[in-house]
Amino acid sequence: EVQLVQSGAEVKKPGESLKISCKGSGYSFTSYWIGWVRQMPGKGLEWMGIIYPGDSDTRYSPSFQGQVTISADKSISTAYLQWSSLKASDTAMYYCARLWAMDKFDYWGQGTLVTVSS
Amino acid sequence: DIQMTQSPSSLSASVGDRVTITCQASQDISNYLNWYQQKPGKAPKLLIYDASNLETGVPSRFSGSGSGTDFTFTISSLQPEDIATYYCQQYDNLPSYTFGQGTKLEIK
Repeated sequence: EVQLVQSGAEVKKPGESLKISCKGSGYSFTSYWIGWVRQMPGKGLEWMGIIYPGDSDTRYSPSFQGQVTISADKSISTAYLQWSSLKASDTAMYYCARLWAMDKFDYWGQGTLVTVSS
Repeated sequence: DIQMTQSPSSLSASVGDRVTITCQASQDISNYLNWYQQKPGKAPKLLIYDASNLETGVPSRFSGSGSGTDFTFTISSLQPEDIATYYCQQYDNLPSYTFGQGTKLEIK
């Protein structure tokens, strides 16, 4: 069974750094792209970027380029999303999802809620 | 950037009704369009891919059609468990995965 399990909710202060994770199982983790999607409170879905864990090839949405870093450790089947300096506007639910053939997000993690507040 | 415009933004219908949601792309995206369902407090779920193909395990009351710039998502007979927000998503000109703004479906 394909599963993506994300790390737990985080509460951080503005200016702090953060790295959240997404662990894949039940499939060949290195053979599928993983994407990250943001959902701000009460809002819609926004694609942030994707990574191919096999070689760490990473592509970012122009809206998120330079704002976050996506990485992966294929030895432990885990993808990451990180911030170096959080802002209140980063408060959101973040989902990882497997990308089938680079066109459809077919399996999703349960989401990680990030709250940034002073 | 390709923009996706969904309508309506919200919809109230009765159990058993036929429900239709539309999604318009700002340029021709062929059939490079998916539909997702997001129930409150849950992750999105893929329902339809490549505009009209039903994902495995998804009930047949869900369907999709269209190509080019105009797409339609239909629930043939609304069930109480279909209460959710529905999103279209394009994947033309990879990597680019723009979502529509969502349609919130409620029971009347």
